[in-house]
Amino acid sequence: QSALTQPPSASGSPGQSVTISCTGTSSDYVSWYQQHPGKAPKLMIYEVTKRPSGVPDRFSGSKSGNTASLTISGLQAEDEADYYCGNNGVFGGGTKLTVL
Amino acid sequence: EVQLVESGGGLVQPGGSLRLSCAASGFTFSTSWMMWVRQTPGKGLEWVAHITPDGSSTNYVDSVRGRFTVSRDNAKNSLFLQMNSLRAEDAAVYYCARDFAYQTFDYWGQGTLVTVSS
Repeated sequence: QSALTQPPSASGSPGQSVTISCTGTSSDYVSWYQQHPGKAPKLMIYEVTKRPSGVPDRFSGSKSGNTASLTISGLQAEDEADYYCGNNGVFGGGTKLTVL
Repeated sequence: EVQLVESGGGLVQPGGSLRLSCAASGFTFSTSWMMWVRQTPGKGLEWVAHITPDGSSTNYVDSVRGRFTVSRDNAKNSLFLQMNSLRAEDAAVYYCARDFAYQTFDYWGQGTLVTVSS
């Protein structure tokens, strides 16, 4: 499987929604990770739509064809981070989310 | 509380060796698939190696196969990565992580930095 393709950047204002895409997925084992500077990645979504315990329900995932998406609604300042998708051990290049 | 604590990173010359360690606590290590994942500014996140719970099976990304060896000591809740013949392109932050299902990583360490330079 080739590397997954993500947009390099995304942005939104507090309270708005933002969606980050991930193209090239080949199964329903799609995960999303949040990474703040200098910190380890944190699992936010797994198996396309599932949220681990403790992850706010503002974070949601979906998939259509070979493109998975992460949607963050009600953006908050602390959501500013890098987001990576993963599928079958392959990661996307990451999307830097800026909260304006 | 789940903890994965890596150690052993540092500066090494090209062609040299390093052994990374990862101490696990707060979950059942002995029944967990474990991974090493590395991150570089240029290439992002990359899965490096994985090992089955009993250590009987391992797998590696092509670029490290034959040079890196992953192992574990379930009695000591520890994961290891022996890195030999290091190259400049191996420089990265190395994370140990648990694969809880189909290469989905739910627990991550804080990472250890490996620098390969003369």
